[in-house]
Amino acid sequence: DSGVTQTPKHLITATGQRVTLRCSPRSGDLSVYWYQQSLDQGLQFLIQYYNGEERAKGNILERFSAQQFPDLHSELNLSSLELGDSALYFCASSESPTGFTSGNTIYFGEGSWLTVV
Amino acid sequence: DQQVKQNSPSLSVQEGRISILNCDYTNSMFDYFLWYKKYPAEGPTFLISISSIKDKNEDGRFTVFLNKSAKHLSLHIVPSQPGDSAVYFCAASGAWRQLTFGSGTQLTVLP
Repeated sequence: DSGVTQTPKHLITATGQRVTLRCSPRSGDLSVYWYQQSLDQGLQFLIQYYNGEERAKGNILERFSAQQFPDLHSELNLSSLELGDSALYFCASSESPTGFTSGNTIYFGEGSWLTVV
Repeated sequence: DQQVKQNSPSLSVQEGRISILNCDYTNSMFDYFLWYKKYPAEGPTFLISISSIKDKNEDGRFTVFLNKSAKHLSLHIVPSQPGDSAVYFCAASGAWRQLTFGSGTQLTVLP
């Protein structure tokens, strides 16, 4: 158990719909990352937040957005869903957004399976 | 543009022998490298990491070697155990610690 909690674990929705994935980081971790794992693209970085502020953006579509709340949990919003958005979405967290010291690394949750039909 | 490459999609090793998983990268700005292990339908589990200022890091049965001039790193598992069978991802860290992952290598340790 990494300490990173993601809900829901599985989600099936129709094209054109909107869903929200939720992530609670490990206790004490201020930085949250979202990753997408699809069959053809592998594990790809989407976006990072640190203490409520967006810090880095990766290959995130304009239809997707995220935020980190004052209690440090984060939500990834996916809208106008397409079949190709079907993937496993991972949240990860780390204590610090910069510098890896002993014992400080990036921990992943178990993921949210999104199926768009 | 694959900045991190794992050219072997799969590797089979006999139990007790050494497993060597390889990874190449192209971006010289990467300054930290990590290995993750992943089982199907689970999140990646951190194994071991190495800073770009080092050339070796060891943790129990796992050792990571970094050759900066060749932009190459490898993960050695000695001795390999059946429980090590999983997909292993190499990842490289840039600014703000977002990770760029390789495509993974499926390791199968045969009893």
